[in-house]
Amino acid sequence: GENVEQHPSTLSVQEGDSAVIKCTYSDSASNYFPWYKQELGKRPQLIIDIRSNVGEKKDQRIAVTLNKTAKHFSLHITETQPEDSAVYFCAAVWPRGDYKLSFGAGTTVTVRA
Amino acid sequence: DAGITQSPRHKVTETGTPVTLRCHQTENHRYMYWYRQDPGHGLRLIHYSYGVKDTDKGEVSDGYSVSRSKTEDFLLTLESATSSQTSVYFCAISEGGGSNIQYFGAGTRLSVL
Repeated sequence: GENVEQHPSTLSVQEGDSAVIKCTYSDSASNYFPWYKQELGKRPQLIIDIRSNVGEKKDQRIAVTLNKTAKHFSLHITETQPEDSAVYFCAAVWPRGDYKLSFGAGTTVTVRA
Repeated sequence: DAGITQSPRHKVTETGTPVTLRCHQTENHRYMYWYRQDPGHGLRLIHYSYGVKDTDKGEVSDGYSVSRSKTEDFLLTLESATSSQTSVYFCAISEGGGSNIQYFGAGTRLSVL
């Protein structure tokens, strides 16, 4: 399968500041990297994803960057707001079929007002 | 939210009893997955299905079995529940065909006493 490590496990930021979460993966053949947000008691929901043929992708205040050589990818949240408080999971697809994902352990982000 | 329904949403059972969790989808997606979520571990794949009657193991399949007799339903069975299987269980679906996006159900909270 695929091994995904995620750091940090917890992150506290002041409202308006930026938050960065980093993940590494083990299999260089992996080609799809989604990020999920999970609010307390809710289901994980996809917020952004990136494929290996792209180095960066943005969607309003969130962006993801991918470094294939180093096998790491990062989530950037700018101008954080209280509603950004949640657990964020990175994931990488198993490269050999069936669209399976391996998830990182998660980062709990707290935005302080 | 994608048309995914998990039942039951909450269950308390005793060690040694069989338990079946159900995932029902209305999206006609080919792929279905069962994950468990535990603190510090993120989401770990238990079993998945790539078509009717086609299933395979994930990372943490010991003690679990699955069945998929029709496209819309994917059942997860704990033959003899143990306390280590206390967890939140999520079902996910994916269209496949080049799309890796997985959509999650609302989850089932299972407590084994």
